[in-house]
Amino acid sequence: DVKVTQSSRYLVKRTGEKVFLECVQDMDHENMFWYRQDPGLGLRLIYFSYDVKMKEKGDIPEGYSVSREKKERFSLILESASTNQTSMYLCASSTGVPLADTQYFGPGTRLTVL
Amino acid sequence: GDSVTQMEGPVTLSEEACLTINCTYTATGYPSLFWYVQYPGEGLQLLLKATKADDKGSNKGFEATYRKETTSFHLEKGSVQVSDSAVYFCALRQGNLIFGKGTKLSVKP
Repeated sequence: DVKVTQSSRYLVKRTGEKVFLECVQDMDHENMFWYRQDPGLGLRLIYFSYDVKMKEKGDIPEGYSVSREKKERFSLILESASTNQTSMYLCASSTGVPLADTQYFGPGTRLTVL
Repeated sequence: GDSVTQMEGPVTLSEEACLTINCTYTATGYPSLFWYVQYPGEGLQLLLKATKADDKGSNKGFEATYRKETTSFHLEKGSVQVSDSAVYFCALRQGNLIFGKGTKLSVKP
């Protein structure tokens, strides 16, 4: 069965801290994605990766960076957390098939920045 | 740019009522269309999809038809259950996925 896991379900950090959110998929998928989900705004794409060591900016990359050193793992990094980064963060993965590929989502990490 | 507009919620229905959640899109070209569902405390999961005009996606009693002439992909179910309570997201894909804002559905017994 398809599985995407995220390192934490809930996380509380302080302003200015460096925060790492980890995502692992066991499906050998080429593509991985990080979204944030906010009430009334839906899901917005932060970064995505089509291959190991490759990354592309999504719609709202400011304040974030990513790392993909291994195919199964995609990390989201908040270099200096701010209160406006309090949100639900969702990781997803998909195959490299270019048309109509389904994205598989992890359960999400609810991050609170104090 | 490409966008998805879906009806705002929350939507509250009694069990066995009919459901329609409207979704319209704006896109150049011919996107693929999706409905994702998010149950409480979980991530999103694909509910159904359609890849070309007039295709009908269906799953778990839900249906949606890709209508190119009206640029719509409305989600329908004839008889909802309490277990259908969730947030529903319409999305299009032409490159990356673009999501609507979500519609929360609550079904009361």
